[in-house]
Amino acid sequence: EDQVTQSPEALRLQEGESSSLNCSYTVSGLRGLFWYRQDPGKGPEFLFTLYSAGEEKEKERLKATLTKKESFLHITAPKPEDSATYLCAVQVGTSYGKLTFGQGTILTVHP
Amino acid sequence: EAQVTQNPRYLITVTGKKLTVTCSQNMNHEYMSWYRQDPGLGLRQIYYSMNVEVTDKGDVPEGYKVSRKEKRNFPLILESPSPNQTSLYFCASSSEGTGGFNTEAFFGQGTRLTVV
Repeated sequence: EDQVTQSPEALRLQEGESSSLNCSYTVSGLRGLFWYRQDPGKGPEFLFTLYSAGEEKEKERLKATLTKKESFLHITAPKPEDSATYLCAVQVGTSYGKLTFGQGTILTVHP
Repeated sequence: EAQVTQNPRYLITVTGKKLTVTCSQNMNHEYMSWYRQDPGLGLRQIYYSMNVEVTDKGDVPEGYKVSRKEKRNFPLILESPSPNQTSLYFCASSSEGTGGFNTEAFFGQGTRLTVV
């Protein structure tokens, strides 16, 4: 059974304090790993897609990396507006359109 | 503007009363999905569709039906809702990228359903 586990469940940071969120996966035939940001009461918003081990992508203060077993979302010098729930999801095998999500990490950045 | 539109945003209903939540996308995407989101359980896929008239079960399909008669619409049907279907529901769409990889999914704004 495909499994996606995110850690920590919640993370509290001071503004400017860099950290990383983890997404570990146990799947057969990873086709893509996706990172999303979700604000309270809203739908998830796409951040990154990673397709192969060693791949990295950056956007503003965020950087996503991928290995054969896990992905990291690095947050550099976070600001309060980065506070949100961060979700990762995997697409596996030939199940096009089927995504399996982790439970998310709730990030709170204090000024 | 590219978007996925769900209606209604909020719905309170009684056990056993059939309901439909609509979902429409304007991006000509092939793939559409329904998810439910519950505290501590994250987003779980209910059903997904690869194209018109092609649907498949996700991880939690019991108690739900879907249909895809047009490419842009993917309604979620609860024929006999029960209190355990109280949840936050999201519709999403994505396109078929190259090499068999999905592109990123665009999500609707959510439908908060309460079944009493």
